[in-house]
Amino acid sequence: KAGVTQTPRYLIKTRGQQVTLSCSPISGHRSVSWYQQTPGQGLQFLFEYFSETQRNKGNFPGRFSGRQFSNSRSEMNVSTLELGDSALYLCASRLGGGYEQYFGPGTRLTVT
Amino acid sequence: KQEVTQIPAALSVPEGENLVLNCSFTDSAIYNLQWFRQDPGKGLTSLLLIQSSQREQTSGRLNASLDKSSGRSTLYIAASQPGDSATYLCAVFYGGATNKLIFGTGTLLAVQP
Repeated sequence: KAGVTQTPRYLIKTRGQQVTLSCSPISGHRSVSWYQQTPGQGLQFLFEYFSETQRNKGNFPGRFSGRQFSNSRSEMNVSTLELGDSALYLCASRLGGGYEQYFGPGTRLTVT
Repeated sequence: KQEVTQIPAALSVPEGENLVLNCSFTDSAIYNLQWFRQDPGKGLTSLLLIQSSQREQTSGRLNASLDKSSGRSTLYIAASQPGDSATYLCAVFYGGATNKLIFGTGTLLAVQP
């Protein structure tokens, strides 16, 4: 069974631009969560989608948004990029609430 | 506030040693606890998942224990190898209104050959 995949793996953007990251969960998994990882803040929860509905949201500004499609694939969008948005963005999927989470390899975003 | 703490922040041991990594959480009303491994610049690899009703889980040289009442979990690694060098993260899943994983800050492990 294929694991969680994320595209692109690396991205360099300029301040003020916007970016879209993509995540394909493990087949059969309906829940997709997004996390931001930085050296200073560690791993922080962004949001979770289940069956195309946002089920939970972390403490991030409205510039961070996401969506989930009917095939459970998910996208995350960050508008008006800031230098502080440079991070490793990780996507995780699971069957449902309380089940084991499986992470993708991440997208390394660098904002210059 | 629901917080997860890991001690030590870094650990260096010679190959072959048995070692213990610690994780503590402030709110004992957990649904489950997961241990992950992260290699530099990579994603997270799930090592062990312990449900709140369980006391321990084992996989190969790894053994994780859970004591909900004291808010603690330990990850025991037997006969460490250089390939075990990585950052180990503990994450607690809270259901209900929280409904998310809360991560500790990790323990950076270096196993010297």
